[in-house]
Amino acid sequence: EDQVTQSPEALRLQEGESSSLNCSYTVSGLRGLFWYRQDPGKGPEFLFTLYSAGEEKEKERLKATLTKKESFLHITAPKPEDSATYLCAVRAGGTSYGKLTFGQGTILTVHP
Amino acid sequence: DSGVTQTPKHLITATGQRVTLRCSPRSGDLSVYWYQQSLDQGLQFLIQYYNGEERAKGNILERFSAQQFPDLHSELNLSSLELGDSALYFCASSLIQGGRSEQFFGPGTRLTVL
Repeated sequence: EDQVTQSPEALRLQEGESSSLNCSYTVSGLRGLFWYRQDPGKGPEFLFTLYSAGEEKEKERLKATLTKKESFLHITAPKPEDSATYLCAVRAGGTSYGKLTFGQGTILTVHP
Repeated sequence: DSGVTQTPKHLITATGQRVTLRCSPRSGDLSVYWYQQSLDQGLQFLIQYYNGEERAKGNILERFSAQQFPDLHSELNLSSLELGDSALYFCASSLIQGGRSEQFFGPGTRLTVL
């Protein structure tokens, strides 16, 4: 069974204090690892897709990396508006088609 | 705005009732997915349709059913509702049914069962 574990569950940062969020996964034939941002009461907002170990993607203050067992979301010099829940998800191969298996998320709070 | 629309935004109903949630995918997307998000279970995959046909099933209860229509919009039907069905229900869409295709989520329907 596909599994995704995110850590920490919650992270509090001061504005400008860089950090990383972790996503560990167990999946049969990884077909993609996805990062989403979710604000309270809203739908997940797509951030990145990573397909193979060693791949990296960047967007503003966010950078996602992928190894064979885990992914990291690095946040550089965060601002209060980066506060949100960050979700990691995997897509497996075989007959799973497009199904995404999500982790429980990391709640990020950035204080000014 | 992802381009995926869902109605209604909020739904309050009683146990034992039946409701229908509606989703319109992004223009050009052929695949629709339904997810349930509750505080204790997180975001859980329910079911996927591609161009009108069911493609994958997750932890969807027998009391729940879905379909995708020729115009590609989808409906999720929830019947014999229980208190535990209270949750956020999200629809997502993608261009194709797997492969290198991102899923874009709608704003969700918040269902409250009293």
